[in-house]
Amino acid sequence: GAVVSQHPSRVICKSGTSVKIECRSLDFQATTMFWYRQFPKQSLMLMATSNEGSKATYEQGVEKDKFLINHASLTLSTLTVTSAHPEDSSFYICSARDRTRGTRGYGYTFGSGTRLTVV
Amino acid sequence: AQTVTQSQPEMSVQEAETVTLSCTYDTSESDYYLFWYKQPPSRQMILVIRQEAYKQQNATENRFSVNFQKAAKSFSLKISDSQLGDAAMYFCAYREVEYGNKLVFGAGTILRVKS
Repeated sequence: GAVVSQHPSRVICKSGTSVKIECRSLDFQATTMFWYRQFPKQSLMLMATSNEGSKATYEQGVEKDKFLINHASLTLSTLTVTSAHPEDSSFYICSARDRTRGTRGYGYTFGSGTRLTVV
Repeated sequence: AQTVTQSQPEMSVQEAETVTLSCTYDTSESDYYLFWYKQPPSRQMILVIRQEAYKQQNATENRFSVNFQKAAKSFSLKISDSQLGDAAMYFCAYREVEYGNKLVFGAGTILRVKS
């Protein structure tokens, strides 16, 4: 089945530095990637939607200059947290759409998540 | 905007028993998809079951089944013969038909399974 590989699984960084999270679709082409943020015991909050080759669409309240999303190819999307601060500490998850699924495709494939801790 | 409501923050079930998780949603669309996702302690999101709104028949996947009431905008998940491995956070989610549209998640229900 479809697999999305997300790396790193855990990262600790110092306040003020930048961190890049990668999501790769291993056996399919991901035309659309969704990036979520999740706090403990809470739901997934959609941060942005990216389509291959175009700029990401950010949800209201999400700082686009802080959370840089790049979707340069059909198999790779990245989220860079710039100038990270402790309040950016969270669990980040990506989710991809398979372009072969057609218009009425089903659920999306999720990465395994990245736990970011900013100290 | 579509909303998804899960009114049970936590539920408990005895091993081998049956439990039902509730979900209601609000939409003006007539055709859409509904999903139940499981998030175990590993935090990997796992698709449990899906329902297409135009299908009247309730979806079933082994021990998991749904009660889809379109008029009432209700989409509950029934887990039969509960197992310890079913312990997880369960999310109900809605999506408009067009593939590529975002999922709208409910707040989640933590399911605990007692041995």
